[in-house]
Amino acid sequence: EAGVTQFPSHSVIEKGQTVTLRCDPISGHDNLYWYRRVMGKEIKFLLHFVKESKQDESGMPNNRFLAERTGGTYSTLKVQPAELEDSGVYFCASSQQRYAGELRETQYFGPGTRLLVL
Amino acid sequence: DAKTTQPPSMDCAEGRAANLPCNHSTISGNEYVYWYRQIHSQGPQYIIHGLKNNETNEMASLIITEDRKSSTLILPHATLRDTAVYYCIVPYNQGGKLIFGQGTELSVKP
Repeated sequence: EAGVTQFPSHSVIEKGQTVTLRCDPISGHDNLYWYRRVMGKEIKFLLHFVKESKQDESGMPNNRFLAERTGGTYSTLKVQPAELEDSGVYFCASSQQRYAGELRETQYFGPGTRLLVL
Repeated sequence: DAKTTQPPSMDCAEGRAANLPCNHSTISGNEYVYWYRQIHSQGPQYIIHGLKNNETNEMASLIITEDRKSSTLILPHATLRDTAVYYCIVPYNQGGKLIFGQGTELSVKP
């Protein structure tokens, strides 16, 4: 079974440019999460999709960040325009849909996209 | 959401058991305890989870106290490849975001 994949693995852009990160979750996983770690800080939650719907976007830092999950499969995270403080590692994770009586919260992470904004 | 506290760092000799403690005194009755680790430059890796019974899998064992206020992750025979930051997490609101603290940086030494 393929794991969570992310593309690109690395991205170097200049301040003011736009970058789009992609995440392909494990097949059949309805839940998709984005997290990021900026320099020297802890891993922070950004948002959570259940299928194509945004369940929780409380961690999105500002309106320069736009996440989509059209069709409930892969997701994209666009940063426009990028700022220096956006540099860090962006992780995507997925988990199976929770069903009544049992928790399915185990999240499986991708390798991350390393973003550097110059 | 239940907060967790872990020691910032620990050392362990290669081949010995690594015992990583975690306090989660505010955990509620139906919240699970999850353990993840992050090996340098990789994505976080799921290790194990439990509710109130002790759990074991091919990676580790999880011992949860009877009052569920603390737990210990045990790597029975630590190897150099187990050097990583280990996170004890109680998932927010059952199925939502994971809140990563500082974790415990485990160094396995030859």
